[in-house]
Amino acid sequence: SQQGEEDPQALSIQEGENATMNCSYKTSINNLQWYRQNSGRGLVHLILIRSNEREKHSGRLRVTLDTSKKSSSLLITASRAADTASYFCATDAQGGSEKLVFGKGTKLTVNP
Amino acid sequence: EADIYQTPRYLVIGTGKKITLECSQTMGHDKMYWYQQDPGMELHLIHYSYGVNSTEKGDLSSESTVSRIRTEHFPLTLESARPSHTSQYLCASSEFGRTGDTGELFFGEGSRLTVL
Repeated sequence: SQQGEEDPQALSIQEGENATMNCSYKTSINNLQWYRQNSGRGLVHLILIRSNEREKHSGRLRVTLDTSKKSSSLLITASRAADTASYFCATDAQGGSEKLVFGKGTKLTVNP
Repeated sequence: EADIYQTPRYLVIGTGKKITLECSQTMGHDKMYWYQQDPGMELHLIHYSYGVNSTEKGDLSSESTVSRIRTEHFPLTLESARPSHTSQYLCASSEFGRTGDTGELFFGEGSRLTVL
């Protein structure tokens, strides 16, 4: 069964607005990672947050992790048209043979 | 920019043909992965490797096979392609995590396979 589930499935906003995407998962994790995928391309790693961390920042990105609720959120501030892409969360489950399980992704469209 | 390369980027072939998708990385990573992704959908792990002569099947059953004879090379082969194999195939690599967890994955650009 799928470990990570993103919400919403699709999100459309205007340039300059903030975009928030959520990820829920089912089992205990070592870490949770967020990736970005432009249409028809490979995935690019954005940020990794470990199970003992609650928040991490990278440029305009802010990731939070709530292990009690088994959920994470990705916030993109001051969005740009170039942020248009699909965003995936991926979980590294404890005892999970060191492989990532990806969610279905959130398709973000930033309108100029 | 990730130093992991996939060829071909696009391939259209007829049913019954044998195909090999190539994946090479120059980062010296021991761990390599193949994911399958249909358009707009999640990634499914079909094969992975922890090093030379190590290969394992992933969570999604696949008729493809892989080999790992050299650290940098992890090709995927379909002996007899069928329309159901039409998909995007993504190769990735990573280092072993410091504490045994899975670190950042570096992805290739993908190989989009269409079987007629």
